Amino acid sequence: GAGVSQSPSNKVTEKGKDVELRCDPISGHTALYWYRQSLGQGLEFLIYFQGNSAPDKSGLPSDRFSAERTGGSVSTLTIQRTQQEDSAVYLCASSFRDTSYEQYFGPGTRLTVT
Amino acid sequence: DQQVKQNSPSLSVQEGRISILNCDYTNSMFDYFLWYKKYPAEGPTFLISISSIKDKNEDGRFTVFLNKSAKHLSLHIVPSQPGDSAVYFCAARSAGTYKYIFGTGTRLKVLA
Repeated sequence: GAGVSQSPSNKVTEKGKDVELRCDPISGHTALYWYRQSLGQGLEFLIYFQGNSAPDKSGLPSDRFSAERTGGSVSTLTIQRTQQEDSAVYLCASSFRDTSYEQYFGPGTRLTVT
Repeated sequence: DQQVKQNSPSLSVQEGRISILNCDYTNSMFDYFLWYKKYPAEGPTFLISISSIKDKNEDGRFTVFLNKSAKHLSLHIVPSQPGDSAVYFCAARSAGTYKYIFGTGTRLKVLA
């Protein structure tokens, strides 16, 4: 079956522009996570969606970051007025339920802000 | 403040020998620990996990050991194979939450 997919795979943008990153989770997975991996760092939790519950946005680094999940499936992470420090690989993961320890990751979107 | 630490950024091991990857944590509320493996240009893939009520979990060539008193986790791969060359992340989850804290990773290179 299809795994988690993310698009685009690479994105280069100019400082100050807005970007949208997309995640298609595995069908039937109710939990969806966004992470960020900056150079030389571990995976940094950004936001978590579970079913129809309000998302946990506690990991979003600033109000320039937002995310939504439509119909309990596809999710979009939006970064407004991008800054150079936003350059990182953005990873999406989904799992069957929020207590599942196994998350399935997408290949990530490499964002470069010039 | 890094709650999950992988102090060795890289490790090289000869094919057939044992690879030992280490992870230290500071939060005693972590109740589940996981290891992920990541190849270049791919997302991490789940490898093995262990609950805080256990001290060992084995799956084929992979064994995870948990020493709660030392707040230390290790992954043993034996025998190591060239295909095991990847970056390995340990991760931990606080009891009652769904948040996972990841370490910075250890790059393993298995030499043929």
